Amino acid sequence: EVQLVESGGGLVQPGGSLRLSCAASGFTVSSNYMSWVRQAPGKGLEWVSVIYSDGSTYSADSVKGRFTISRDKSKNTLYLQMNSLRVEDTAVYYCARDPVAAAGTTVHYFDYWGQGTLVTVSS
Amino acid sequence: SYELTQPPSVSVSPGQTASITCSGDKLGDKYACWYQQKPGQSPVLVIYEDTKRPSGIPERFSGSNSGNTATLTISGTQAMDEADYYCQAWDNNFYVFGSGTKVTVL
Repeated sequence: EVQLVESGGGLVQPGGSLRLSCAASGFTVSSNYMSWVRQAPGKGLEWVSVIYSDGSTYSADSVKGRFTISRDKSKNTLYLQMNSLRVEDTAVYYCARDPVAAAGTTVHYFDYWGQGTLVTVSS
Repeated sequence: SYELTQPPSVSVSPGQTASITCSGDKLGDKYACWYQQKPGQSPVLVIYEDTKRPSGIPERFSGSNSGNTATLTISGTQAMDEADYYCQAWDNNFYVFGSGTKVTVL
């Protein structure tokens, strides 16, 4: 059974840092395209970052240069390092799996989501 | 950057058909998918690759995508279908979500 369990959220001051983790089971993180998606309170879904099976990464303009996505094969875990946090980064952060890990395809969607972890940036 | 536009809300009577649109430039040339999200829960995939239903999703959910518009149709809407719905597409290594549509079953 595929499971994604996020952790690491909490309260942090503006300008601070936080690292989120997403422990996966039932599949191999490094063989899939894995993303972080966030949702500000009362707002819609916003894609944040992706790491492809080949290790390449892409991020939304709103977090580029501040957030870094990575993975640990030995722990089958996805991470999001968040630096220079801003009040507008306050959100529930979900990790999600894209099952279509093939170069050249344009079919990309998320079939499994974690339960989310809340990040609050406030002084 | 690519953008997807959805109506903020759709109302439907029980047993009737609800249609939710998602508009984007030449969206029909891309693949669209749809998620359902109920309050306090994580999103759930209901349609992928324009028209396909994941295992466990009821047949009353269907999708289409042509031109600039993708559409999620809920036939015979039930009270349990009341939720927020988001479309999503992929554009040049970026995943793009629509703004979301709140479906109310009156």
